[in-house]
Amino acid sequence: GENVEQHPSTLSVQEGDSAVIKCTYSDSASNYFPWYKQELGKRPQLIIDIRSNVGEKKDQRIAVTLNKTAKHFSLHITETQPEDSAVYFCAASPWYNNNDMRFGAGTRLTVKP
Amino acid sequence: DSGVTQTPKHLITATGQRVTLRCSPRSGDLSVYWYQQSLDQGLQFLIQYYNGEERAKGNILERFSAQQFPDLHSELNLSSLELGDSALYFCASSPSTGANSPLHFGNGTRLTVT
Repeated sequence: GENVEQHPSTLSVQEGDSAVIKCTYSDSASNYFPWYKQELGKRPQLIIDIRSNVGEKKDQRIAVTLNKTAKHFSLHITETQPEDSAVYFCAASPWYNNNDMRFGAGTRLTVKP
Repeated sequence: DSGVTQTPKHLITATGQRVTLRCSPRSGDLSVYWYQQSLDQGLQFLIQYYNGEERAKGNILERFSAQQFPDLHSELNLSSLELGDSALYFCASSPSTGANSPLHFGNGTRLTVT
């Protein structure tokens, strides 16, 4: 099955700086890569996703890049704000088992005002 | 609101007991997933059902079982509970229309085993 590794486990940045979280996956059949944000005590919520037919996707201050050859993808948050503080999870899903989605271990992002 | 409903929100029980967690997926979603999240831990995939049938299994203990009913709601049964089973249990659903699509999570059930 799929194995997703996520780094770093914790990340602290100053407000206004950029944050980058990286994930690698093992199954070359994976073709869908969502990112979830989980605030303390709340449910994970989708913030952005990318499919294997594109290399980059952007939504305001958030962007995700995908390198299929290297089997890694990254989340980029620019101009960070205190409300970006949360745990972020990456995930990967293969085409052969629709939505057999596996998550990375999570990154706790703290944005200091 | 994700449209995924989980009940109960909180559950406190003693070791050795059995509990049932319930999940109603979003309208139209055929797939239901169960995840376990222990304190400050990641999301551990337990099991997936699609239209009533088991589709994928993760690190689910033999003491745990699940099913998806004809109306597509799902139940996760946890038996012979141990202290280490205390966690937040999330249910998620997706439409599974053929193209991979995001999971929509419920608000979770917080299980405390004393």
